[in-house]
Amino acid sequence: RKEVEQDPGPFNVPEGATVAFNCTYSNSASQSFFWYRQDCRKEPKLLMSVYSSGNEDGRFTAQLNRASQYISLLIRDSKLSDSATYLCVVNSGVWGYQKVTFGIGTKLQVIP
Amino acid sequence: DAGVTQSPTHLIKTRGQQVTLRCSPISGHKSVSWYQQVLGQGPQFIFQYYEKEERGRGNFPDRFSARQFPNYSSELNVNALLLGDSALYLCASSLGVGSTDTQYFGPGTRLTVL
Repeated sequence: RKEVEQDPGPFNVPEGATVAFNCTYSNSASQSFFWYRQDCRKEPKLLMSVYSSGNEDGRFTAQLNRASQYISLLIRDSKLSDSATYLCVVNSGVWGYQKVTFGIGTKLQVIP
Repeated sequence: DAGVTQSPTHLIKTRGQQVTLRCSPISGHKSVSWYQQVLGQGPQFIFQYYEKEERGRGNFPDRFSARQFPNYSSELNVNALLLGDSALYLCASSLGVGSTDTQYFGPGTRLTVL
């Protein structure tokens, strides 16, 4: 089993739609969780950290479910500019040592 | 403030050659990590350095090595290049090595091995 698993997609959604991505992780000792966005042939950029209480940033909402070991990303009112690959990232290191694992990424294509 | 910078941007090498990639972290960041990203995959962790010490190593062969300098910049070296080493090499910097320290990525070096 992969340490971090994501559905690679692609997810093709119309503008204005709501889309959700899930990501599962295998290490129950994982400490922190992130969603990164990566545009074609560009570097990953932090979209948001993910907390147990859930967090929201505008149209984006991230949730963490430690019991089931998955994190989710919800995008509301999709824009054409949201088209990108969304990478799930899990850090299972302890202090002084980071073990950062990326998922394969989920490709989103928002269509007019 | 300048972000993470990497050089060169692109590189073409032939099998068996050696390559050195360079990274300068965000000012004030003491940790640098290196990742390899092949087409269609997520970045794979290679190394992490903090205060010039190796703090993490991914599942890569000994042909891959790295170091960090007193100014926190870093180099990644790959010896005896293979075709499969063709990838985007990403450098990320963070303030420290805590589990919640966010990593910020540079634009990457695209390595092609012929």
